[in-house]
Amino acid sequence: QVQLQQWGAGLLKPSETLSLTCAVYGGSFSGYYWSWIRQPPGKGLEWIGEINHSGSTNYNPSLESRVTISVDTSKNQFSLKLSSVTAADTAVYYCARTRQWLVRGRYLYAFDIWGQGTMVTVSS
Amino acid sequence: AIQMTQSPSSLSASVGDRVTITCRASQGIRNDLGWYQQKPGKAPKLLIYAASTLQSGVPSRFSGSGSGTDFTLTISSLQPEDFATYYCLQDYNYPRTFGQGTKVEIK
Repeated sequence: QVQLQQWGAGLLKPSETLSLTCAVYGGSFSGYYWSWIRQPPGKGLEWIGEINHSGSTNYNPSLESRVTISVDTSKNQFSLKLSSVTAADTAVYYCARTRQWLVRGRYLYAFDIWGQGTMVTVSS
Repeated sequence: AIQMTQSPSSLSASVGDRVTITCRASQGIRNDLGWYQQKPGKAPKLLIYAASTLQSGVPSRFSGSGSGTDFTLTISSLQPEDFATYYCLQDYNYPRTFGQGTKVEIK
């Protein structure tokens, strides 16, 4: 049974860099995209970006200038870095597996397995 | 970016009620839509993908329909464990975008 375990610093000062890592246990790392998603307190979900085992990435344009997602296939881990954080980046950050299904000749996607979430607070 | 708009933002219902949540996309997204359930303090859980396909292990009282711009999540008979917030998500293109959520509360 695939599980995602994530960790990283929970308290940052403005202008610092957020750094989180997500480890994949109990299943294949290749053949999937791996995503980061965040949720500010009391608000909705925002997709940050994704990476596959080859290092191919897709980012949300709203964050792209500050985001780097990387992968370490030797450890079945992927990581998120978000630079120059402000209070607006305060949120619960989730890692998730993007699964794909072939449906009538087209690939469709969904986040089928999630990490436990990490609360990151940005405060001076 | 494609904007996803859910309605209502919240609703109150009783156990046994039939509940319907709507999600509208700002442009056509074929059937590239999923529904997620989130309970307080927990990660979201995938309920439905490809607009109408039930994820393994999800009770059959959940169903999804729609294509193009208009989609619906239906809970046929609301159970106590279904009180939660529900989100739609489009996977038609990048960036992936979620609806703002619908909170289902106990009447």
